[in-house]
Amino acid sequence: SYELTQSLSVSVALGQTARITCGGNNIGSKNVHWYQQKPGQAPVLVIYRDSNRPSGIPERFSGSNSGNTATLTITRAQAGDEADYYCQVWDSNTAVFGGGTKLTVL
Amino acid sequence: EVQLVESGGGLVQPGGSLRLSCTASGFTVSSNYMSWVRQAPGKGLEWVSVIYSGGSTYYADSVKGRFTISRDNSKNTLYLQMNSLRAEDTAVYYCASKYWYDGMDVWGQGTTVTVSS
Repeated sequence: SYELTQSLSVSVALGQTARITCGGNNIGSKNVHWYQQKPGQAPVLVIYRDSNRPSGIPERFSGSNSGNTATLTITRAQAGDEADYYCQVWDSNTAVFGGGTKLTVL
Repeated sequence: EVQLVESGGGLVQPGGSLRLSCTASGFTVSSNYMSWVRQAPGKGLEWVSVIYSGGSTYYADSVKGRFTISRDNSKNTLYLQMNSLRAEDTAVYYCASKYWYDGMDVWGQGTTVTVSS
């Protein structure tokens, strides 16, 4: 079965750029979606199909996907960006989530 | 307003059954795919099942043969019938749907299932 690998945690200084990666075999050939989840809340879609932002998601959120790595980039990180982030793909009619990355804004 | 509201969670003994419901408003449950995703305490997201607009269903290996996803278009409601429950099924269960954007862009608030004696 397909697997997605994320770092457990990423730290970023307030106002700096955070990069959260998602590794998978030839993930560049798949559509990657990213979700933000804050404690006690349901996940929120922040990037769909590698690099597209839903309405209402700040331009500070961007994504890329190539080769074996997809990346979620958050520029000018704010305290409110502190959350868990999950990547997700579809593989043979099953949804696969990465293990999640906890973003800490220092 | 586009919304999903889950219900039906609770405490159940190992080996027992439970049926979760997810009622949609602002869109129809048959318009696109709908999924159940769960999250065990302190853990990450785990996909459980999907039903496509055409009615095809798929399951995670961990629940195959025990869980059944279905929908009632007349009630605009998605269901998850859970049988032979195990302690490891303890989690918050979310329903989620592709509504406008690719990916799961609409989520319910979640309903908690606890399997314990």
